[in-house]
Amino acid sequence: EIVLTQSPATLSVSPGDRATLSCRASQSLSSSLAWYQQIPGQPPRLLIYSASTRATGVPARFTGSGSGTEYTLTISSLQSEDFAVYYCQQYNKWPSTPFGQGTRLEIK
Amino acid sequence: QVQLVQSGAEVKKPGASVKISCKASGYRFNYYGIAWVRQAPGQGLQWMGWISPHNDNTYYEQNFQGRVTMTTDTSTTTAYMELRTLRSDDTAVYFCARDRVAGAPTPYYFDDWGQGTPVTVSS
Repeated sequence: EIVLTQSPATLSVSPGDRATLSCRASQSLSSSLAWYQQIPGQPPRLLIYSASTRATGVPARFTGSGSGTEYTLTISSLQSEDFAVYYCQQYNKWPSTPFGQGTRLEIK
Repeated sequence: QVQLVQSGAEVKKPGASVKISCKASGYRFNYYGIAWVRQAPGQGLQWMGWISPHNDNTYYEQNFQGRVTMTTDTSTTTAYMELRTLRSDDTAVYFCARDRVAGAPTPYYFDDWGQGTPVTVSS
């Protein structure tokens, strides 16, 4: 079974700065990786799929990259609404437990 | 536009069952799989499984095998998730979500989500 490990668990960044979130897989995902943003009290929102394709309406400051077992979500010039929890999800192999444990992005 | 509207909050006793509905609209229901994901208080997202309305093919997360049943009713474009033998650690918000990829034989990624159904399990 594929296991996703996100790091760090919590990231403290100042508004306007860049945030870099990591998702590491126990096996190659062949870029079958998505990223979600979740604001407390709301359902998750799809940001990125196929490792680097932004979903409809997602601002250009969100960038996904990576391949194989290592993936990164970069948020440039953080806005107040970006402070949330971010999850990665693999869809390369099923059945599976597809979500990472999440990274909490908080205001420094 | 795509909408997934879930049934309301539930309070159940340990050992009982809960069945949550997810009414879909704004797209061709048969074409897209429906996933169920839950989130315990203060915790991360937990995958429960996925169903294809086209052929009722399912993928259940191993930890829920034998306790969960996912179904769809194409006549009412509604998906259902039933969880049996409830325990206190089943207390969570349960989400349905629509697969982004039409006709997928396995789950992909999810771009439309229901509002969530809180389920409380307490004696």
